[in-house]
Amino acid sequence: GAGVSQTPSNKVTEKGKYVELRCDPISGHTALYWYRQSLGQGPEFLIYFQGTGAADDSGLPNDRFFAVRPEGSVSTLKIQRTERGDSAVYLCASSLTISQPQHFGDGTRLSIL
Amino acid sequence: DAKTTQPPSMDCAEGRAANLPCNHSTISGNEYVYWYRQIHSQGPQYIIHGLKNNETNEMASLIITEDRKSSTLILPHATLRDTAVYYCIVRVGGATNKLIFGTGTLLAVQP
Repeated sequence: GAGVSQTPSNKVTEKGKYVELRCDPISGHTALYWYRQSLGQGPEFLIYFQGTGAADDSGLPNDRFFAVRPEGSVSTLKIQRTERGDSAVYLCASSLTISQPQHFGDGTRLSIL
Repeated sequence: DAKTTQPPSMDCAEGRAANLPCNHSTISGNEYVYWYRQIHSQGPQYIIHGLKNNETNEMASLIITEDRKSSTLILPHATLRDTAVYYCIVRVGGATNKLIFGTGTLLAVQP
């Protein structure tokens, strides 16, 4: 069956620009997570949605980062005024319920020039 | 969530069993042990998880010591496609369910 889909797979943009990263979770999964992975490191948690609401956004690094999930399915991670330090792979995961294992997409590789 | 300790790298011969250790000496009674792996340029892939009993599925076996302070992931017949970074994660059930990754073990399966 279809897994978690993330688009675009690669994004290159200039410092200061605005970017949106999209995540299509597995159909029927109520929980959705965003992580960020820098080179040589494990993924770091950013934000968790249960349905439409952000239940835990404690991992967002600052107020330039924002995420939405308006209909409880697709989610968009938004980054304003991008900085070179934002360059990383942004991973999305979903799970059927909060107690089930998370399944990851292959990520969006974001490069800020 | 409890911290985990894994060796940074391991080698295994193709066709042999790969045994990946993980220490989690501060684990609490309600914390699960999860294993994920990440093949280059892909997202992490769920392998297996357990609370106190040993678990087995089509991918691997998970052996948890009686005191729950350590565990071993076993890939019974490693193939070249099993070369990946393997992450051992301890997670409290319920609440946010966020995963806290360390740097994992890079398993290199040799032909």
